[in-house]
Amino acid sequence: EAGVVQSPRYKIIEKKQPVAFWCNPISGHNTLYWYRQNLGQGPELLIRYENEEAVDDSQLPKDRFSAERLKGVDSTLKIQPAELGDSAVYLCASSLQGSYGYTFGSGTRLTVV
Amino acid sequence: GNSVTQMEGPVTLSEEAFLTINCTYTATGYPSLFWYVQYPGEGLQLLLKATKADDKGSNKGFEATYRKETTSFHLEKGSVQVSDSAVYFCALYTGTASKLTFGTGTRLQVTL
Repeated sequence: EAGVVQSPRYKIIEKKQPVAFWCNPISGHNTLYWYRQNLGQGPELLIRYENEEAVDDSQLPKDRFSAERLKGVDSTLKIQPAELGDSAVYLCASSLQGSYGYTFGSGTRLTVV
Repeated sequence: GNSVTQMEGPVTLSEEAFLTINCTYTATGYPSLFWYVQYPGEGLQLLLKATKADDKGSNKGFEATYRKETTSFHLEKGSVQVSDSAVYFCALYTGTASKLTFGTGTRLQVTL
């Protein structure tokens, strides 16, 4: 089966510009996660969806970040405007049951210059 | 809250050496424990897991045992290969938090 698909793989933008990341989870996985991984660090949760509902967005910087999950399948994460400190790898993951582990996509490496 | 502490890297070993990467955790409730591996330029792959005390997870020659009394989940491999060079992340999941919490990762470099 296809894994979690993310695009783009790499993105370089100037600060203050908008950027969007897309994620297609594994078919049938109701739970979708966006994580941010800073250089040399472990991933940190930004937002968790159960179907189309965002059930945990407590770590999402809502002044500039937004996310949506249309029809409970694909998801988009947006940053507007981007800041230098947003440079990181943005990982999408999905799961059928969290206690069994997540499947991660390859990530989008964002560089803000 | 939940947290994971891993030994700092990088860990540099010669091929066929024995590997141990230490991981300890703090959690409310009864967590499931995981090791993920991240190869250069790739996302995280689940390496092994254990869902209750005294369980042993294993995969590709790697093993880790869920030790509740010491709140540890150390990763071991008897004989590492150059292809094992990667960053290894210990993580935990509880139903209370409903999310994976990761350690900071340990970089392993295996040389010939």
